[in-house]
Amino acid sequence: SQQGEEDPQALSIQEGENATMNCSYKTSINNLQWYRQNSGRGLVHLILIRSNEREKHSGRLRVTLDTSKKSSSLLITASRAADTASYFCATVGGTSYGKLTFGQGTILTVHP
Amino acid sequence: DVKVTQSSRYLVKRTGEKVFLECVQDMDHENMFWYRQDPGLGLRLIYFSYDVKMKEKGDIPEGYSVSREKKERFSLILESASTNQTSMYLCASSRYGGTSGIGETQYFGPGTRLLVL
Repeated sequence: SQQGEEDPQALSIQEGENATMNCSYKTSINNLQWYRQNSGRGLVHLILIRSNEREKHSGRLRVTLDTSKKSSSLLITASRAADTASYFCATVGGTSYGKLTFGQGTILTVHP
Repeated sequence: DVKVTQSSRYLVKRTGEKVFLECVQDMDHENMFWYRQDPGLGLRLIYFSYDVKMKEKGDIPEGYSVSREKKERFSLILESASTNQTSMYLCASSRYGGTSGIGETQYFGPGTRLLVL
């Protein structure tokens, strides 16, 4: 079952602008992860935020988590054309052996 | 560097054929996963394994089976391929986080795009 739902489904911006993607989920989680997928390739892990964390940074990425609203956001600052990709949130919860439940993703296009 | 490899990038098979997709990881990870990815449906878990010879069904196991005889290798088998199994198949691995579901980072292979005619 798909738990994470990303919003928007597609985002088109100019280089240098910031990109914000949102993810909502339904059940309690242990952690939430964001992944990136270039067209036709495998997924690459970007960042993991645990349920007791509220914000995390990695380079130009900033992730927030609001467990009361069951939502997360991924902010990419000063975007580049090379950031063009699909971005997925994935949640882990319960006794799941670390299984991830993925959302359907946000397609980000950054125009040069 | 972490590496997950999949046996083929592209595969074309006929309806009714038995299809083997292989995945190998070199990170000594306990967990391995098979997903399929379809437009509009995102990634869906088919099967996963948390140890050699152990397997658990994911969300969409029907029409598939798996084999894990060695820690580094996880095979996905389509017993009798059908056109609705045309998809992108992604393998992933992660360290064992225990049954509490801590959820370690998953490392993905490049994917196999399967076309069943």
